[in-house]
Amino acid sequence: AQSVTQPDIHITVSEGASLELRCNYSYGATPYLFWYVQSPGQGLQLLLKYFSGDTLVQGIKGFEAEFKRSQSSFNLRKPSVHWSDAAEYFCAVGTTSGTYKYIFGTGTRLKVLA
Amino acid sequence: NAGVTQTPKFQVLKTGQSMTLQCAQDMNHNSMYWYRQDPGMGLRLIYYSASEGTTDKGEVPNGYNVSRLNKREFSLRLESAAPSQTSVYFCASSEAQRGRDFGPGTRLTVT
Repeated sequence: AQSVTQPDIHITVSEGASLELRCNYSYGATPYLFWYVQSPGQGLQLLLKYFSGDTLVQGIKGFEAEFKRSQSSFNLRKPSVHWSDAAEYFCAVGTTSGTYKYIFGTGTRLKVLA
Repeated sequence: NAGVTQTPKFQVLKTGQSMTLQCAQDMNHNSMYWYRQDPGMGLRLIYYSASEGTTDKGEVPNGYNVSRLNKREFSLRLESAAPSQTSVYFCASSEAQRGRDFGPGTRLTVT
């Protein structure tokens, strides 16, 4: 069965600093991988996704993520964080068969210091 | 294009009361989902509908029922609410594996 681990519950960075949020997954084949962002009181918004091909994927709002098969990781990065990036970030893994098998991590809450 | 809409936004129920959460999408997606979000638990799938006319249980279906009314609408019903069902409920839709589009959520409190 697939699973997703986001080891950092909270992360605090200063505005303008770089950011990396960790995501590790467990799945027997190459999964579909996603990152979502949730602002307070809002639903989830898709930042980026990986299905196949280039292992470095670009998303919205200046985010990118790199799929590393050897490390079973899909870490989210941003070179310079803005105060508006403060939110909760969720990694998700989907299987390559069946649209419902889609597991979310427990989330990482990002705080940005001015 | 409204995306995924949910009603109501907030609801307070007493234990044993029933209610239906409504969800609609205007993106012509085949698949629709109901999730609940609890602190420290991430999102957990309650029920899903892979296509119009089909529904299936997810990870945490107990205490819930669903109806896929048509391609646009997917409702979630609590027949006899319990305090353990206090949560934020999200409806989502998708087409194949393009990623889920989420609604704004319904915050439900059961006292």
